[in-house]
Amino acid sequence: GAVVSQHPSWVICKSGTSVKIECRSLDFQATTMFWYRQFPKQSLMLMATSNEGSKATYEQGVEKDKFLINHASLTLSTLTVTSAHPEDSSFYICSARDRPVAAGELFFGEGSRLTVL
Amino acid sequence: AQTVTQSQPEMSVQEAETVTLSCTYDTSESDYYLFWYKQPPSRQMILVIRQEAYKQQNATENRFSVNFQKAAKSFSLKISDSQLGDAAMYFCAYRSALDGANSKLTFGKGITLSVRP
Repeated sequence: GAVVSQHPSWVICKSGTSVKIECRSLDFQATTMFWYRQFPKQSLMLMATSNEGSKATYEQGVEKDKFLINHASLTLSTLTVTSAHPEDSSFYICSARDRPVAAGELFFGEGSRLTVL
Repeated sequence: AQTVTQSQPEMSVQEAETVTLSCTYDTSESDYYLFWYKQPPSRQMILVIRQEAYKQQNATENRFSVNFQKAAKSFSLKISDSQLGDAAMYFCAYRSALDGANSKLTFGKGITLSVRP
């Protein structure tokens, strides 16, 4: 199947700094990508839907100024956690759709573990 | 809004035995997709099986099969001949056939499956 790669797989940062996580579709063009957050032993919570060339659509309760999403190309979406605090520590996962239709399959990245000290 | 319910947080099965994971969902739509995803300790989300709501035939993938009851809005996963590598967290998920490329997954809370040797 298609491959989605996330980088970095884990990152530790100091409180107040910003962290960028990349999500790349390696062998297909992804017009739509999704960003999730997952706490230990819990489900995935959708944060936002990212469309290439347009502003991301955020889920209710997600601070768009806190979690900046950029989808500048058909193969790359980035999530920047700005002014990170310990409560932002979590596992962040992206997924990408391989075709621009509802039937298009979703492929997930390996996830990125963020720890904010 | 659609909801997905996995009421069992944990289950255990003996190696080589069969186990069934339960999932119910609520929707007013008639056309949608249902999925079971596996998340092993590596945290990589892996698609186990997919079912289109318009198909009456239950999906099957090797040792994995589903019991899709559309009227009852039930979608259970049966794992036959359980193997140690099946130990993971399993998520049931729903996706509308509407909303085009932005159609997003709604996940259940997940169930942790352990396999006893």
